Amino acid sequence: AQRVTQPEKLLSVFKGAPVELKCNYSYSGSPELFWYVQYSRQRLQLLLRHISRESIKGFTADLNKGETSFHLKKPFAQEEDSAMYYCALGGSNYKLTFGKGTLLTVNP
Amino acid sequence: GAVVSQHPSWVICKSGTSVKIECRSLDFQATTMFWYRQFPKQSLMLMATSNEGSKATYEQGVEKDKFLINHASLTLSTLTVTSAHPEDSSFYICSAQRGYNYEQYFGPGTRLTVT
Repeated sequence: AQRVTQPEKLLSVFKGAPVELKCNYSYSGSPELFWYVQYSRQRLQLLLRHISRESIKGFTADLNKGETSFHLKKPFAQEEDSAMYYCALGGSNYKLTFGKGTLLTVNP
Repeated sequence: GAVVSQHPSWVICKSGTSVKIECRSLDFQATTMFWYRQFPKQSLMLMATSNEGSKATYEQGVEKDKFLINHASLTLSTLTVTSAHPEDSSFYICSAQRGYNYEQYFGPGTRLTVT
């Protein structure tokens, strides 16, 4: 069965500090992984996907198959990064399995 | 582009009644629509996958007679919660897939409260 684990429910950092949101997955096939973000009172939106290998809003994520991880990183956090972040794993028929999410708070 | 709407945004109903939630892709035709349920402070749980003109595919543990899904067109899917009970109170979110990939666009969600 596929599973996504985000070990931290809450993460609080100061503005300008590096941030890393952890995500581990369990999947028997070749994984497709995504990070979604939900800002306060807004809908869920795609932040980035591992196959595109791009950086969005300064965030990057590297797929590590050996560690089955897809951690989200940003070298210098901004207050506007405060949001709920979900890691998601793509399965058959384009279904997504979401982790429980990490609430990131960036303090001034 | 790629906007998905849901209606209503919130609804309160009495126990035993049915409630219909609409999900529309406003500016694209969706190959597939997905319905999720989100409990407070928890993750999104996929309930069912919906394709236009065919029966929805429900995830394990989701009662298909309880959560009726109709996909009338490439831009509209509806979820009807039948004989609602307080334990059905939740946040229901739909997403629409554009193309045959993982590109899903999410609606804003519908808050259902059953009294």
